[in-house]
Amino acid sequence: DAKTTQPTSMDCAEGRAANLPCNHSTISGNEYVYWYRQIHSQGPQYIIHGLKNNETNEMASLIITEDRKSSTLILPHATLRDTAVYYCIVRTINAGNMLTFGGGTRLMVKP
Amino acid sequence: DGGITQSPKYLFRKEGQNVTLSCEQNLNHDAMYWYRQDPGQGLRLIYYSQIVNDFQKGDIAEGYSVSREKKESFPLTVTSAQKNPTAFYLCASSTGGRSDEQYFGPGTRLTVT
Repeated sequence: DAKTTQPTSMDCAEGRAANLPCNHSTISGNEYVYWYRQIHSQGPQYIIHGLKNNETNEMASLIITEDRKSSTLILPHATLRDTAVYYCIVRTINAGNMLTFGGGTRLMVKP
Repeated sequence: DGGITQSPKYLFRKEGQNVTLSCEQNLNHDAMYWYRQDPGQGLRLIYYSQIVNDFQKGDIAEGYSVSREKKESFPLTVTSAQKNPTAFYLCASSTGGRSDEQYFGPGTRLTVT
């Protein structure tokens, strides 16, 4: 399974864009990149996913490099409620559609 | 409203007792999952089921058992064989498609003393 590497923690000022990086240099050609976030003591929440192309939805944008070895999740206007742990996950394909969670990035949005 | 429910939110048990955690979904999803989360750690997969009456072990299945008799329900039993059962348990479901997302329940925090 492709592993992901994320910074342990990041800070962002409220109202500014939060850019969360993720390295997945061993990703296979047919594996997707997923992003989830988890607010303290709650279940994880799906944010966005992509395969090759950049993606955007109402929550965030996902930028995947051309070689697919890294990606960046962008929260365009971070709010205090975006403070959470953000997980970058590469989909396991050999056993259904399980998700393998790493340590994630703890994003702290500050006033 | 559609969603995943887990009950109870907090559960306390004595060591040596089996305990069953409830997970119900009304999203008509085929696939369901159980994860365990320890403080400051990511989620680890315990069991998953892609269809009724079928389930597979995840990364840390020892000391746990599941059943999938109905599409809507995927209960997890934490047995006395589980060495460190105290944790936050999360249930999820998905349509089972190749690229679909998983929806998570609110979790059950189990404390065994």
